Amino acid sequence: DAKTTQPPSMDCAEGRAANLPCNHSTISGNEYVYWYRQIHSQGPQYIIHGLKNNETNEMASLIITEDRKSSTLILPHATLRDTAVYYCIVRDAFSGYSTLTFGKGTMLLVSP
Amino acid sequence: ETGVTQTPRHLVMGMTNKKSLKCEQHLGHNAMYWYKQSAKKPLELMFVYNFKEQTENNSVPSRFSPECPNSSHLFLHLHTLQPEDSALYLCASSQDQGGTGNQPQHFGDGTRLSIL
Repeated sequence: DAKTTQPPSMDCAEGRAANLPCNHSTISGNEYVYWYRQIHSQGPQYIIHGLKNNETNEMASLIITEDRKSSTLILPHATLRDTAVYYCIVRDAFSGYSTLTFGKGTMLLVSP
Repeated sequence: ETGVTQTPRHLVMGMTNKKSLKCEQHLGHNAMYWYKQSAKKPLELMFVYNFKEQTENNSVPSRFSPECPNSSHLFLHLHTLQPEDSALYLCASSQDQGGTGNQPQHFGDGTRLSIL
């Protein structure tokens, strides 16, 4: 699986949009971009994933650049409960079962 | 309700004890995973079961022994552990479709294991 690069930490004010960047410059054509988050003392939580097109669900939006070398996770109205470590992961869609390789992620702190 | 339930949530054991961690998924998935998360380290994949068959053992010491009796249950049997095995042990499941692996994994909240 290709590696990703994320900033170690970010701050966001409550109610504002949180934009979390991820670089994956060596991504291949078969690899999806996944986002998970881990709130303290809990297991990782799946947020969203995509291949080429932008995606949106009830939790977040995923914007993937046209060359697919980077992406941004957007939490449109961050709340205090969104404070967590956010992981950007790329993985091959055809590698069989869904193994994930977690990096260090971005610690997002949402403040009042 | 996360769909993946792990018990116990916390476990303290001596190095000579034998204990088991349990994971149950209520999502109808056919693949299950054990991960280890040590302090200040990324999650490490330990084992993968796909349709009850072990498909990956990521160089895990034999003092960790997984068991998957059916596609809904996964156990991790522990014996003669070392202090460095203290960590959060996470279980996950996914629906894998025989070659296309773009289905997300869903995690439980883990068992916090402390070895005395």
